[in-house]
Amino acid sequence: RKEVEQDPGPFNVPEGATVAFNCTYSNSASQSFFWYRQDCRKEPKLLMSVYSSGNEDGRFTAQLNRASQYISLLIRDSKLSDSATYLCVVGDSWGKLQFGAGTQVVVTP
Amino acid sequence: GAGVSQSPRYKVAKRGQDVALRCDPISGHVSLFWYQQALGQGPEFLTYFQNEAQLDKSGLPSDRFFAERPEGSVSTLKIQRTQQEDSAVYLCASSFGGRQGSTEAFFGQGTRLTVV
Repeated sequence: RKEVEQDPGPFNVPEGATVAFNCTYSNSASQSFFWYRQDCRKEPKLLMSVYSSGNEDGRFTAQLNRASQYISLLIRDSKLSDSATYLCVVGDSWGKLQFGAGTQVVVTP
Repeated sequence: GAGVSQSPRYKVAKRGQDVALRCDPISGHVSLFWYQQALGQGPEFLTYFQNEAQLDKSGLPSDRFFAERPEGSVSTLKIQRTQQEDSAVYLCASSFGGRQGSTEAFFGQGTRLTVV
């Protein structure tokens, strides 16, 4: 079983709609949480860190549920440019990062 | 440059050939990671350094894979006797965070290795 699990999708989303997806992690001692975005044939780039209280960055909202060991990402008012693979990343106290396999989002006109 | 730099960007190797992939992390970053990403998959952890110490190499697929970071800066991932299943993009990332916790990791553009 992988340490970080994600629904691979694809999530097909009409432009302007809202999409949400989760990831789960197995290491209860995990200390840091991130969402990365990866475009086709490009390197992953940080979308946002995820904090225990939840946090929002424009149209993106991330939530962390430590008790159930899952992280969510919600995208409001989807844009065509949001089409990408979203990678859930979990870090331990030593700084080691583990990636999920990614959730593909396709925003359609 | 200010980002993580990897070289070469592309490498074609004949089966059985040895290859060396280089990563120049962001100056001052303590942590350095190597990942392997196959087409359509997420990055798979290979190994991790804090400064020159290799703290975790549990993701290296076989003893043909070897990584080093002798001076705590530049790192090299070496693959001996390459096989076709080694074909993938090899990503290097660095972060400022060390034992005190994880911080954002910055990725290089990767080396696309094709073994023929």
